[in-house]
Amino acid sequence: DVKVTQSSRYLVKRTGEKVFLECVQDMDHENMFWYRQDPGLGLRLIYFSYDVKMKEKGDIPEGYSVSREKKERFSLILESASTNQTSMYLCASSLSQGARGYGYTFGSGTRLTVV
Amino acid sequence: KQEVTQIPAALSVPEGENLVLNCSFTDSAIYNLQWFRQDPGKGLTSLLLIQSSQREQTSGRLNASLDKSSGRSTLYIAASQPGDSATYLCAGYGAGSYQLTFGKGTKLSVIP
Repeated sequence: DVKVTQSSRYLVKRTGEKVFLECVQDMDHENMFWYRQDPGLGLRLIYFSYDVKMKEKGDIPEGYSVSREKKERFSLILESASTNQTSMYLCASSLSQGARGYGYTFGSGTRLTVV
Repeated sequence: KQEVTQIPAALSVPEGENLVLNCSFTDSAIYNLQWFRQDPGKGLTSLLLIQSSQREQTSGRLNASLDKSSGRSTLYIAASQPGDSATYLCAGYGAGSYQLTFGKGTKLSVIP
């Protein structure tokens, strides 16, 4: 069964800390995505990557950066965590658009609380 | 920019009822459309994917259709069960786009 694995289910971090959220997929997918989900706002795209070492900003990239050194791993970095980054973070992956029958596969999410 | 509206925002039905969830896109040029289920505090589980060449997909008691001329999709759930209680999200993107745009979801409660 194909999988997207997020390294932590719950995280509590202090304001100002540098935070790493890790995501690994075992499906050889080209595309990987980071979303955050907040009540009333739905899912919002932070960053995505369509290839190793490539990255594109989504709708809300401020305060975040990403790293994709290997195809299977996509990391989200909060350079200096703030309380307004308390949220559910969801990672997803998909095949390239030219591939038939592709959809998105999501991980189980990381609930981050910044105190 | 593509926007997705899901109606209703919340729905409560007695067990056994058939029900329809609706989704509409501001840009009807949808390439792929996907319906997801989300349980509280969990990630998204893909239910159905309608590819660019398709009009509908079925899986068990679920049927999703897409009308590309109007940019509307429906998710039909037959003989609802309490285990169907969850939030259902639709999402889609156009040709040439990497980004999936989501609706805010319909929260379904099936009452035993």
